[in-house]
Formats: sequence, structure tokens, C-alpha cells
Amino acid sequence: DVKVTQSSRYLVKRTGEKVFLECVQDMDHENMFWYRQDPGLGLRLIYFSYDVKMKEKGDIPEGYSVSREKKERFSLILESASTNQTSMYLCASSPAGSSAFFGQGTRLTVV
Amino acid sequence: GENVEQHPSTLSVQEGDSAVIKCTYSDSASNYFPWYKQELGKGPQLIIDIRSNVGEKKDQRIAVTLNKTAKHFSLHITETQPEDSAVYFCAASISSGSARQLTFGSGTQLTVLP
Repeated sequence: DVKVTQSSRYLVKRTGEKVFLECVQDMDHENMFWYRQDPGLGLRLIYFSYDVKMKEKGDIPEGYSVSREKKERFSLILESASTNQTSMYLCASSPAGSSAFFGQGTRLTVV
Repeated sequence: GENVEQHPSTLSVQEGDSAVIKCTYSDSASNYFPWYKQELGKGPQLIIDIRSNVGEKKDQRIAVTLNKTAKHFSLHITETQPEDSAVYFCAASISSGSARQLTFGSGTQLTVLP
């Protein structure tokens, strides 16, 4: 089975902190994604990557950056966390041309 | 960009009845339409998908229909069971490079009443 693992289930951070969310997949998938999930808004794409060191902006990239130094790992970075970034963050991976497999999610609270 | 609208936002059905969730999309270039089920405390899980060259696909109690002309697609669950209770998301896909970029609907909370 495909496994997408997010490093934390729950995180509480202070406003202004730099936050790292880590995601690892074990199926050698080319593509990896970070989504944000908020009630009534569904899943919104923050960034995605189709290869090592490659990244593309999604629909809501402001306030976020990403890093993909190795094929299996995709990190989401909040340079200076703000309260409006309190949300559920979902990482996903997919092989080329196929659908996405999701991790369990990280619920981030910024206080 | 693509926009996907999903209705209803909440749906309650009696066990054994059918449930239907509908989605519309805006970009005629979209060619892949997956459906995800998200149980409480878990990430979304793919349950069925359909490509634009097919009008209907069925997998046991779950079926998906696609009307490309009208740009809408639907999920049908028959003989619902309490374990079908979850949030369901539709999505539409446009390829960007080699990545299949999904745009999701806002979700439907399905409750199956025993």
C-alpha cells in the first residue's frame, strides 16, 4: 500500500514562528502536493512539485514556501506563522498521470 | 483556473436508501474526475474515478456518471450503510507538466441514519 506520512498530527505554534511541516512518501512517486483544508472551502492547493528541486505555485501560495531536496520528501514552510494559517494541512503524492494519495493530515494551530 | 462546485453540503439518508452528490466544473479541458472519502481524523481516500472518455463507471455500490456537455458529474451510493458516513469530495483535474493538478469541491457531509 502507498504510504504518505506527515511528521506531526497536531502542532501548536506562536505567531511569527518559522514552521516546518514534513511529508514523506514511500512509493517513488514523481509528484507531491500540499493542500490546506478549511470547513466549507474544501481542499485548496498551496504548492506542488513534479520532480526533485522543482516546485510550482498552487492556488494559495502566499505566506508559504516548499522544499524538495529528495524525491521522497516534500516540506512545507511557514516563514512567519500567522493566526490565519491555523488549518488542517494535507500532503499527497501521485505517480505521473494518476490520482493522489493523501497523508493523515497535520492540524496546525497558530496562537 | 478550474472551479468545482459541489452540492449538497450536507446529506442525511436512511440506511438502505441511495445517496447522490453532484458536482459541476468550469474548465472544459478537465479530463479526470476522482471522488474521495474522508473519515473523521483521516486523510481523504480515493474511492472511484472516471476519465472523460467514459460516461459511467461502477464499483459495487458506488457509481459515478459524467456529462461532459453539461460539465457535471455525480456520485451515486446505493444501499447505504452506516460506515458510508463521511465527508465526500469531488475533484477535477487539469494536467500541468507531468503533475495532475486537482481542484476540489467544498465537500459533502453524508450521514447514514440507522
